[in-house]
Amino acid sequence: AQKITQTQPGMFVQEKEAVTLDCTYDTSDQSYGLFWYKQPSSGEMIFLIYQGSYDEQNATEGRYSLNFQKARKSANLVISASQLGDSAMYFCAMSQGYNFNKFYFGSGTKLNVKP
Amino acid sequence: GAVVSQHPSWVICKSGTSVKIECRSLDFQATTMFWYRQFPKQSLMLMATSNEGSKATYEQGVEKDKFLINHASLTLSTLTVTSAHPEDSSFYICSARPGKGFSGTHQETQYFGPGTRLLVL
Repeated sequence: AQKITQTQPGMFVQEKEAVTLDCTYDTSDQSYGLFWYKQPSSGEMIFLIYQGSYDEQNATEGRYSLNFQKARKSANLVISASQLGDSAMYFCAMSQGYNFNKFYFGSGTKLNVKP
Repeated sequence: GAVVSQHPSWVICKSGTSVKIECRSLDFQATTMFWYRQFPKQSLMLMATSNEGSKATYEQGVEKDKFLINHASLTLSTLTVTSAHPEDSSFYICSARPGKGFSGTHQETQYFGPGTRLLVL
């Protein structure tokens, strides 16, 4: 079974507008971590934001925020005020297991920001 | 902080040769490093997990004699693709998890290198 599901293969957003990238996860563990990474066309994976399963508040990092809904097992990424440089692949990931070393990645969402 | 380098960034080699890729954590010690493979327009596929000073743990279906991993120190892991063939052509990317003493804010995060594009002719 898929551990991480990203249902949006591609998304378009107008520059300066906000966009939400969806991510749902599947785990029976109580303790886990949720991440979002950005992968531009150059290939490097850039860490954006982290949410721990016990964190009660949604994580925020600058223009990025993670909408964590534990009961629904969703961890959507919200990018505010989109910029052209935000065009990239975005991957949702979950860590669990011993020492949180088991990482699961979603299939990714390709975001295109239109001028 | 939390910078991971990877070298080389590009390599083209002939079929049958071996290729070594280095992954270094530049400003932190990494007790655990990971090697991934990524095909075009697909997600990352974990190949193996390596801990400093011990043998790597390979994922199911990954040939350990084909993909040799050495985690020689707390800041260096290497992946050697032995007797490379065209089907080994891919994007290989490493990541590192900080160990004790990490001064950054996200010790639980995997920090990725920039990746290596391998083309086997």
